[in-house]
Parts: sequence; C-alpha cells; structure tokens
Amino acid sequence: GDSVTQMEGPVTLSEEAFLTINCTYTATGYPSLFWYVQYPGEGLQLLLKATKADDKGSNKGFEATYRKETTSFHLEKGSVQVSDSAVYFCALSDRGGGTSYGKLTFGQGTILTVHP
Amino acid sequence: SAVISQKPSRDICQRGTSLTIQCQVDSQVTMMFWYRQQPGQSLTLIATANQGSEATYESGFVIDKFPISRPNLTFSTLTVSNMSPEDSSIYLCSARTGANYGYTFGSGTRLTVV
Repeated sequence: GDSVTQMEGPVTLSEEAFLTINCTYTATGYPSLFWYVQYPGEGLQLLLKATKADDKGSNKGFEATYRKETTSFHLEKGSVQVSDSAVYFCALSDRGGGTSYGKLTFGQGTILTVHP
Repeated sequence: SAVISQKPSRDICQRGTSLTIQCQVDSQVTMMFWYRQQPGQSLTLIATANQGSEATYESGFVIDKFPISRPNLTFSTLTVSNMSPEDSSIYLCSARTGANYGYTFGSGTRLTVV
C-alpha cells in the first residue's frame, strides 16, 4: 500500500536558519503530494501541495518540488522564524477509484522548534 | 476555501461510555474522512464516509467501535463507543473541498478517557 516516510525529528533551529525536512513516498500510480502544518493546540492546515511530477508547491516562504524520479517531496525554507515552530506532516493522496478515492496517507510528522 | 466546524473541541469521558463527534461543512462534499491522531503520532485513517452508504473502514477499525453517520452532503458524525483509556486521542474529520485535491480539516476533538 501507499506509504510516506519523513525524516526523524525533532528538529531544532535558530531563527533565520535554513530548513529541510525530507519526505519520500511509495505509491502506485501518480499521487498528489502535500505538506500540512499543525501549530500547537490547533488542527491541520494545508501548507502547500503539488499534483504532478516537477510541480513546485510554495507558500509562506516554504517550497517543495514533486520529484518522481526520487519519489521525494522535501520541504525547504530559506530563513525560518520562531512562528514556524509546529509539527509538519508530509502526505499523499491516491487518485484511484472505489471507496479509497481521495484518502490521505500521512508521514509520521516532524516537530520543528525555532529559537530566537 | 471551505470551513469545517468540529465539536466538541475536547472532552474527558469515563471508560465504558460513548462520545459522538460532529462535523459540519459549509459546502456540499462527496466524501468525508475520519482520522485518529494518538499522542505523539501521525494521523491514521479510521474510515471514509460517503453520503447515502455505509462507511468504509480501514484495517483495524470496526463499525461497532466507531459507528459513523453521513445523513447529508454537509454533515457527519463519528461515535467512539465503549471507550477505554487507549481511545484517548485527537480525532479529526476531513473533506476534499476544492479543486486539485484540496483537503480541509476540522480543528479536532481532543478526547481523554479516564
């Protein structure tokens, strides 16, 4: 079945540091890929997405490129802020038919803490 | 984008009791999804709920424990039945609410079973 693997956390950075959170996936067909963010005490928010190979998703300074050849969707930000402290989830959705259509499969999540 | 209202936001329940969680979407959606997030863990899909038919459960989840209703295209409920402390988790509902596979989540229900 489909699966998503994220780099182990937690990740601790100083403000303005460069961020990379690795994400690789296993899926049949051509999934859509997502990064979700969960701030403390809140629900999940979509950060960015990409629906086909070589697409780059971007939002709030974060970027990720859909790499089919390496089955990866790594999250990057050039300069993190304290307000970026949250849990980040990589996810994919299948496009197959039947009752599984559209369900999301999540990675294990990466806790990011940014210090001033 | 669409908004999903989920309630209750949190609850503390006695073991052996049941809790029903509600999700209301501000637009019509075909499928809704229910997830569980155990402490410090990722999200695990419990079931997919399609209006007018029985929910489809993932491996390890059964209807007797997690009955789901989907009476119309904007509403769904998940009941956690005969609760035990192992059911203490965050439960989230979700729906595909936009083009290009946009998914929206409710704010979650933090359940503690004592």
